[in-house]
Amino acid sequence: EPEVTQTPSHQVTQMGQEVILRCVPISNHLYFYWYRQILGQKVEFLVSFYNNEISEKSEIFDDQFSVERPDGSNFTLKIRSTKLEDSAMYFCASSGSIVNTGELFFGEGSRLTVL
Amino acid sequence: KQEVTQIPAALSVPEGENLVLNCSFTDSAIYNLQWFRQDPGKGLTSLLLIQSSQREQTSGRLNASLDKSSGRSTLYIAASQPGDSATYLCAGDFGNEKLTFGTGTRLTIIP
Repeated sequence: EPEVTQTPSHQVTQMGQEVILRCVPISNHLYFYWYRQILGQKVEFLVSFYNNEISEKSEIFDDQFSVERPDGSNFTLKIRSTKLEDSAMYFCASSGSIVNTGELFFGEGSRLTVL
Repeated sequence: KQEVTQIPAALSVPEGENLVLNCSFTDSAIYNLQWFRQDPGKGLTSLLLIQSSQREQTSGRLNASLDKSSGRSTLYIAASQPGDSATYLCAGDFGNEKLTFGTGTRLTIIP
């Protein structure tokens, strides 16, 4: 069964360093998302991406964050200068094939620890 | 502001019992509602999606309902098993291209 894959599963970084989290969405999906979950808190929306541009972003998604679809398969989230409060589980999701049900499929997540 | 609430935060049930998990939302103009399962330290597994035009969806032992007028959804699990132990999350799509999640209900099935 098709699935969303994310790498790395866990990354530890020093405050101020750049981090890139990678995702391979389900191949025929058209909409791509990043969400995050701080330990013990709700899953929060960060950004949605469609037709090679950001379609919606939350107030969390400030200038330190960026997304890119560098080729036909990968979808990346970059954090330019990490802060302690960026420590969280980051989830990639995709949705929307020819028959668009709106159902989102999530990856296993990338755990980011900022020291 | 659109909010999604799940009560209780935790629930323990003996194996074999049927159970209901609750989800409430503040905006009746919901586009669809999705139920997920999350195992500790893992990703989100989609269980059921209910479109706004539907009242319920079924998959195996799971049945989810949606009542837009009252702002409620329920997830019914029949004949619970220890493998059903997990956190169950509901999330609403209010037509703004993002899901708004509840805090989840941590379910423990006691063998």
